[in-house]
Amino acid sequence: GAVVSQHPSWVICKSGTSVKIECRSLDFQATTMFWYRQFPKQSLMLMATSNEGSKATYEQGVEKDKFLINHASLTLSTLTVTSAHPEDSSFYICSASRPTGGTGELFFGEGSRLTVL
Amino acid sequence: DAKTTQPPSMDCAEGRAANLPCNHSTISGNEYVYWYRQIHSQGPQYIIHGLKNNETNEMASLIITEDRKSSTLILPHATLRDTAVYYCIVRGNTNAGKSTFGDGTTLTVKP
Repeated sequence: GAVVSQHPSWVICKSGTSVKIECRSLDFQATTMFWYRQFPKQSLMLMATSNEGSKATYEQGVEKDKFLINHASLTLSTLTVTSAHPEDSSFYICSASRPTGGTGELFFGEGSRLTVL
Repeated sequence: DAKTTQPPSMDCAEGRAANLPCNHSTISGNEYVYWYRQIHSQGPQYIIHGLKNNETNEMASLIITEDRKSSTLILPHATLRDTAVYYCIVRGNTNAGKSTFGDGTTLTVKP
């Protein structure tokens, strides 16, 4: 079964509103989670690394004020797309790996499809 | 920049073996090779990983060259459901190491 889960699976919102996407690790504590964005027919693009209890680390070109990441607990990271616009429409995916005793395997969420009207 | 390069697409006949190559010439000594696949509108699914020895599980086999600069994922008997985008990535075996994805290989299994 899934060990990383995202919610919602899909969301439609109006331009200018903010949308929050949740990523949960279901059977392990994840001190680090990763957020990706994927446009149609393209690969996954790493947006940021979410660190529990500290600020997220954003990849070059990703606006930290636009994509707010909060990792307040060891099992939950949230991505908030603020003042969303149609160009933010995309497939957002999170991942995490077990902190200890694992092999570094990344577990991915099911993805969240955002459509901004 | 992605640390791996893969051919953009491949076809395979149903029931035949699918061999998907990946180049990772800049791989570090402590980095593993991981393979994932993604079916449309889903999160990537783990397939297999290895460090330097060849590996096999119920889904696939992984062949890593001795110099570790390339690898091949083998699906021994491809089915139509194996049609997907396949990604290889390199990553250290810690939870904090980030991974960037290349463009992957779109495998189309044909009847």
